[in-house]
Amino acid sequence: GAVVSQHPSWVICKSGTSVKIECRSLDFQATTMFWYRQFPKQSLMLMATSNEGSKATYEQGVEKDKFLINHASLTLSTLTVTSAHPEDSSFYICSARDRGDYEQYFGPGTRLTVT
Amino acid sequence: GQNIDQPTEMTATEGAIVQINCTYQTSGFNGLFWYQQHAGEAPTFLSYNVLDGLEEKGRFSSFLSRSKGYSYLLLKELQMKDSASYLCAVVDNDYKLSFGAGTTVTVRA
Repeated sequence: GAVVSQHPSWVICKSGTSVKIECRSLDFQATTMFWYRQFPKQSLMLMATSNEGSKATYEQGVEKDKFLINHASLTLSTLTVTSAHPEDSSFYICSARDRGDYEQYFGPGTRLTVT
Repeated sequence: GQNIDQPTEMTATEGAIVQINCTYQTSGFNGLFWYQQHAGEAPTFLSYNVLDGLEEKGRFSSFLSRSKGYSYLLLKELQMKDSASYLCAVVDNDYKLSFGAGTTVTVRA
């Protein structure tokens, strides 16, 4: 149980375009979903926290107008990178947790390359 | 703020034991996780400690001392497949995880 999927697993896009990444909890209800970014040889950095049906909370330094997060249902959250630039190239990982559970279940990640 | 420290790299021989230390200073504490991450993949859960003491799970054990802000992950009978990055992460009062920079373990034959 506790499986989280992400789609796509990798994407290449041109500078200036937008990319949407989906995160789904397959066998549990994700009351909270988290989005992380990881640059090469660095650790995971939390970008934002989203609770179902409410606006996402962004960490300091993360532009909310650039990284749009929608947590429309208990099983789906999306991250849209708007007007992507090469410096947005990174490994984006989502995680999900259910109410009352400290553990977060991680998706397999999405490798974004902006050319 | 959150401050989580762990060594950058460790090297050990196949069959040996390696201990990865993690010290933390965080605002709020609801437990500490250890994750294993292979290059290009998402982290996978290894252990969770919220009470002081040792948790043993097969070849992996994790220890926590809340008063000292200290944890370690012990890997026994090292195998080549254990070569990976090991991440220490603390849960705060808002269920957020703060990660250390990760320790890259290299297992040599």
